[in-house]
Amino acid sequence: DAGVIQSPRHEVTEMGQEVTLRCKPISGHDYLFWYRQTMMRGLELLIYFNNNVPIDDSGMPEDRFSAKMPNASFSTLKIQPSEPRDSAVYFCASSQAEGTGANVLTFGAGSRLTVL
Amino acid sequence: DAKTTQPTSMDCAEGRAANLPCNHSTISGNEYVYWYRQIHSQGPQYIIHGLKNNETNEMASLIITEDRKSSTLILPHATLRDTAVYYCIVSNAGGTSYGKLTFGQGTILTVHP
Repeated sequence: DAGVIQSPRHEVTEMGQEVTLRCKPISGHDYLFWYRQTMMRGLELLIYFNNNVPIDDSGMPEDRFSAKMPNASFSTLKIQPSEPRDSAVYFCASSQAEGTGANVLTFGAGSRLTVL
Repeated sequence: DAKTTQPTSMDCAEGRAANLPCNHSTISGNEYVYWYRQIHSQGPQYIIHGLKNNETNEMASLIITEDRKSSTLILPHATLRDTAVYYCIVSNAGGTSYGKLTFGQGTILTVHP
């Protein structure tokens, strides 16, 4: 398996523009997570899905952020409109539910977002 | 989930064992201890986890004290590529915490030649 695949790896955009980050989880994994990492706040869980259904979005900062998982092999995180404070590395991760496996996450390489 | 306390940074000589401590004095009976690491500019990587017994895999060993209030991650023969931030996380394997991990600040391990 190629692991968790994220795109784009780097994105530079201007304030007010829409940003869409994409994630392909590992085949067979039924949990998908979106994390954000900044120097100030470290790694933060934004939202996670189980079997394509959003379970907990309490970490989503505000209404400008939305996430979808239309099928088991694809998820998006959208920011509209983007702001400079959204600049961060966004990680997608997936896991499977067997036993304690749901907490054994495989992370992607991340998408580094810079909002000017 | 129980909180964890880790030293901010540690050093280790290449080829020697690296022993990374973690305190989790408020851990509850159904909470597991997980260790992840993050090498610079990469996503976090799962290392090992355990409930109360010591665990070993190809990457590391996890030693959990009998009262479960602390644990130690052991990298038996550290290499330069083990330089990373190491995160100790305590989490339920079920209930509302299922699948959710809270990453703290971790320990910056620097392996020297």
